[in-house]
Amino acid sequence: DSGVTQTPKHLITATGQRVTLRCSPRSGDLSVYWYQQSLDQGLQFLIQYYNGEERAKGNILERFSAQQFPDLHSELNLSSLELGDSALYFCASSVQGGTGNEKLFFGSGTQLSVL
Amino acid sequence: KNEVEQSPQNLTAQEGEFITINCSYSVGISALHWLQQHPGGGIVSLFMLSSGKKKHGRLIATINIQEKHSSLHITASHPRDSAVYICAVGTHSLGKLIFGTGTRLQVFP
Repeated sequence: DSGVTQTPKHLITATGQRVTLRCSPRSGDLSVYWYQQSLDQGLQFLIQYYNGEERAKGNILERFSAQQFPDLHSELNLSSLELGDSALYFCASSVQGGTGNEKLFFGSGTQLSVL
Repeated sequence: KNEVEQSPQNLTAQEGEFITINCSYSVGISALHWLQQHPGGGIVSLFMLSSGKKKHGRLIATINIQEKHSSLHITASHPRDSAVYICAVGTHSLGKLIFGTGTRLQVFP
């Protein structure tokens, strides 16, 4: 058990809908990262939050947004969903973030299926 | 050309064999990560390296910064080692990990 909790584990929805994925980091970790894993693109970094503030941005679509709350849990909001958004979404956490020398702890992922 | 290349893409081994998975990268890095993803989907961080060599149980990871190359070795492989092994490099920002496409390993008894 990594200590990182992601909910829900599975999500099935329709095109055009909006969903929210939730992540609770390990106790004491200040950074949360979101990744998308699809069959054709592999793992891709979406966005990082550190202590409530956006720290780094990757290949995140404008239809997607995220935030980190004062209790450090994070939510990834996906809107106007398309078939191509079907993927496994992971969050990870680390103690600090941005130093490049930190181990990441991954949640078990949310499998999103857009029908 | 991808910034992080792994080889081989697929690997089949008999239990007990010594296994090597390679990772080459073309960018300047602050650290290299080896990750393991089991069929259920969960990802576990195995190693994080910025130089030299690390060992954990039957797993050994090495990195050559000058050659921009890393290897993951598994000694005395076991069917439970069957998984996808992913190399990822961290650059100026840890969040911006660049991932390899993974090596799918199957170990048969």
